[in-house]
Amino acid sequence: ETGVTQTPRHLVMGMTNKKSLKCEQHLGHNAMYWYKQSAKKPLELMFVYNFKEQTENNSVPSRFSPECPNSSHLFLHLHTLQPEDSALYLCASSQRSAPGGYNEQFFGPGTRLTVL
Amino acid sequence: AQSVTQLDSQVPVFEEAPVELRCNYSSSVSVYLFWYVQYPNQGLQLLLKYLSGSTLVKGINGFEAEFNKSQTSFHLRKPSVHISDTAEYFCALSSGTYKYIFGTGTRLKVLA
Repeated sequence: ETGVTQTPRHLVMGMTNKKSLKCEQHLGHNAMYWYKQSAKKPLELMFVYNFKEQTENNSVPSRFSPECPNSSHLFLHLHTLQPEDSALYLCASSQRSAPGGYNEQFFGPGTRLTVL
Repeated sequence: AQSVTQLDSQVPVFEEAPVELRCNYSSSVSVYLFWYVQYPNQGLQLLLKYLSGSTLVKGINGFEAEFNKSQTSFHLRKPSVHISDTAEYFCALSSGTYKYIFGTGTRLKVLA
């Protein structure tokens, strides 16, 4: 496997279900990100992990719970979601550089989530 | 506050015609600028980036973009498009942190 992989690629769940999205990066990076992509809206940064520590939580509802057990893996645990949470969830990774430096983000293919 | 504006939500163009996708940004500090492409059912792929130096940046698949500081623009161009260029294109900026600010995207539809 190369780059950033995400599983599953598609997920349909009811509002009472609990599911998890998985992201794995094979690039040796030390920062990982979750984004939400909804139609006609800019990508929304949800969470950022640097060296496995969460450094950003962009006012995301608690029904989304991230987990980063190591610098290569990132999970997004989902529970009691709402239909408006239906979207494409993208994972990305980058090297963590010093402030003012350049961090190219590499994206996975995304998980298309539908909440019924 | 920083922002990225992509005024055109959709751009239809005939095959082999030139195309320009517009991107304007707002920032009180120096920025890095990016164009990403998203093909159907795929994630975002970096097309090109402006970090510093020459204002004309060349990317993959024959695309190029010009950084214009006075007009705060970073428009994407291709002299001759192919059907395979049909995709959504995102402009983004970073001020040197891990935070990217993305535009809303422009859907390029190449017609036969």
